[in-house]
Amino acid sequence: DAGVIQSPRHEVTEMGQEVTLRCKPISGHDYLFWYRQTMMRGLELLIYFNNNVPIDDSGMPEDRFSAKMPNASFSTLKIQPSEPRDSAVYFCASSLDSWYGYTFGSGTRLTVV
Amino acid sequence: KNEVEQSPQNLTAQEGEFITINCSYSVGISALHWLQQHPGGGIVSLFMLSSGKKKHGRLIATINIQEKHSSLHITASHPRDSAVYICAVNNYGQNFVFGPGTRLSVLP
Repeated sequence: DAGVIQSPRHEVTEMGQEVTLRCKPISGHDYLFWYRQTMMRGLELLIYFNNNVPIDDSGMPEDRFSAKMPNASFSTLKIQPSEPRDSAVYFCASSLDSWYGYTFGSGTRLTVV
Repeated sequence: KNEVEQSPQNLTAQEGEFITINCSYSVGISALHWLQQHPGGGIVSLFMLSSGKKKHGRLIATINIQEKHSSLHITASHPRDSAVYICAVNNYGQNFVFGPGTRLSVLP
């Protein structure tokens, strides 16, 4: 199993541009999570999906952020328009259920200049 | 007051030493996770605990639900154990609350 796959690994973009981060969860995992990690705030849960349905998006910072999961094997996190304060490492994770098989992707390091 | 606190914030040890990292939380939880973040940034889930104790190789994790406290122990520490260790609690939902992390450096 290749694990949770995120792309790109690094993204540098200019303020105001649209950014799309991608995640492929482990096959068979019913839960998918998007996290953001910054030096100031540590790890924060942004949104999670269960069986492709968004369950809790209370962590999404504002309307500029949106996430979709069109099928069980793919999810996107989009920022439009991007701002310098969005610079962070974004992690995707998937799990079998609430407790087990929790696996993180390698993360996408986003820099907005 | 943060819901999840860890101590120490930073820890430097000599190879072979026994290491303890502590996590205290103030909310009711259904599960607690210990995560390891490598210097390259990747995150690995080490343990999920809801009670008692778990052991995996040189790693041991314990939890005391009544005292709202968990510890992660590393026996015979090695430089490859150098990482940030993060405690995360799940309070009866999918939402995780993360501790600030403990940065461990094990010197050869």
